[in-house]
Amino acid sequence: AQSVTQLGSHVSVSEGALVLLRCNYSSSVPPYLFWYVQYPNQGLQLLLKYTTGATLVKGINGFEAEFKKSETSFHLTKPSAHMSDAAEYFCAVTTIGAQKLVFGQGTRLTINP
Amino acid sequence: EPEVTQTPSHQVTQMGQEVILRCVPISNHLYFYWYRQILGQKVEFLVSFYNNEISEKSEIFDDQFSVERPDGSNFTLKIRSTKLEDSAMYFCASSVSKTVTPGYTFGSGTRLTVV
Repeated sequence: AQSVTQLGSHVSVSEGALVLLRCNYSSSVPPYLFWYVQYPNQGLQLLLKYTTGATLVKGINGFEAEFKKSETSFHLTKPSAHMSDAAEYFCAVTTIGAQKLVFGQGTRLTINP
Repeated sequence: EPEVTQTPSHQVTQMGQEVILRCVPISNHLYFYWYRQILGQKVEFLVSFYNNEISEKSEIFDDQFSVERPDGSNFTLKIRSTKLEDSAMYFCASSVSKTVTPGYTFGSGTRLTVV
């Protein structure tokens, strides 16, 4: 069975500071990994995904994530936080041929002015 | 950009009542899904649906739940007799193919409150 652990249910950073949201996964087969963002009263929007190939993945809004198999991690980063980044972020895992996503518990990101 | 549309955005229902949550998937998508997020908890898979059949369901998706594609555009989730613990945000998703792809798109959700 697959699982995802997001370390930190709440992360707070200052505007302009580095954003680091942590995600560790468990999967017995090669994973596909995703980060979704949820703004208040909105749906889940795909930020970026890793399937195969390059382990550093760039997404929308300046976010990127690096797949590290040895660490079973897929941490999300952004060099400089913006007020508009305040939202809930979800890491998710699936595998090739699977139909469903397995989500982590989410991390609420707060940006301080 | 194509969207998955869910209605209503909020629904309040009394315990024991039947509720139907509606979703309009992206028009050329063939695979449909429901997920649930209880407040403060993770998003959980409920069911996947293809070719008018359930293709996979989770342990959460018991006999109280059913899904249907009543016409060419809508995809519905019915809860027959709601319980307090059914209070959650319900997300519909659709995809063009069986596997999770860039086209796997979520709707904005329906917040269901059972009182």
